[in-house]
Amino acid sequence: EDQVTQSPEALRLQEGESSSLNCSYTVSGLRGLFWYRQDPGKGPEFLFTLYSAGEEKEKERLKATLTKKESFLHITAPKPEDSSTYLCAVQPIGGSNYKLTFGKGTLLTVNP
Amino acid sequence: NAGVMQNPRHLVRRRGQEARLRCSPMKGHSHVYWYRQLPEEGLKFMVYLQKENIIDESGMPKERFSAEFPKEGPSILRIQQVVRGDSAAYFCASSPPGQGASINEKLFFGSGTQLSVL
Repeated sequence: EDQVTQSPEALRLQEGESSSLNCSYTVSGLRGLFWYRQDPGKGPEFLFTLYSAGEEKEKERLKATLTKKESFLHITAPKPEDSSTYLCAVQPIGGSNYKLTFGKGTLLTVNP
Repeated sequence: NAGVMQNPRHLVRRRGQEARLRCSPMKGHSHVYWYRQLPEEGLKFMVYLQKENIIDESGMPKERFSAEFPKEGPSILRIQQVVRGDSAAYFCASSPPGQGASINEKLFFGSGTQLSVL
């Protein structure tokens, strides 16, 4: 069974204080790893898809990286508007590759 | 272009009643997925539908739960005889034709329906 573990569960940063979120996964074969953000009362909002170890993607203050066992979401000089719950999900290879397995998320709070 | 629309946003039911959750996918999307988010848990896959077809309902409890996506109108997730353990946020997502079996691209999620069972 595919598993996704995210750490830490919660992270509190000061504005401008860079840090990283971790997503460890086990999957029989990885087709893609997804990062989403989810604000209170809303659905997940897509951020990135990573497909192979060594791949990196950037968007504003966020950079996602991927290895064979984990992914990191690096946040550089965060702002209060980056406060959200960040979700990681894996997409398996094979017949059920439409099923995403999500982690529980990391709640990020950025204080001004 | 309107996003994925779910209604109602909040639904309160007493034990034993029926709950109907609706999802209108993005315009042009013909694949719909339902996920459930229990408190302190990650999103869990429930069911994948295409127009008039259930492709995979392996994540949905076999009793009391059903889903449909008719040729016309929204997708419906129906829960009969609700129990307190059904209380959760239910999210719908959609994707365009040709991507349902290989969602290399992003899924578009609705804002969810928060179901509370008293």
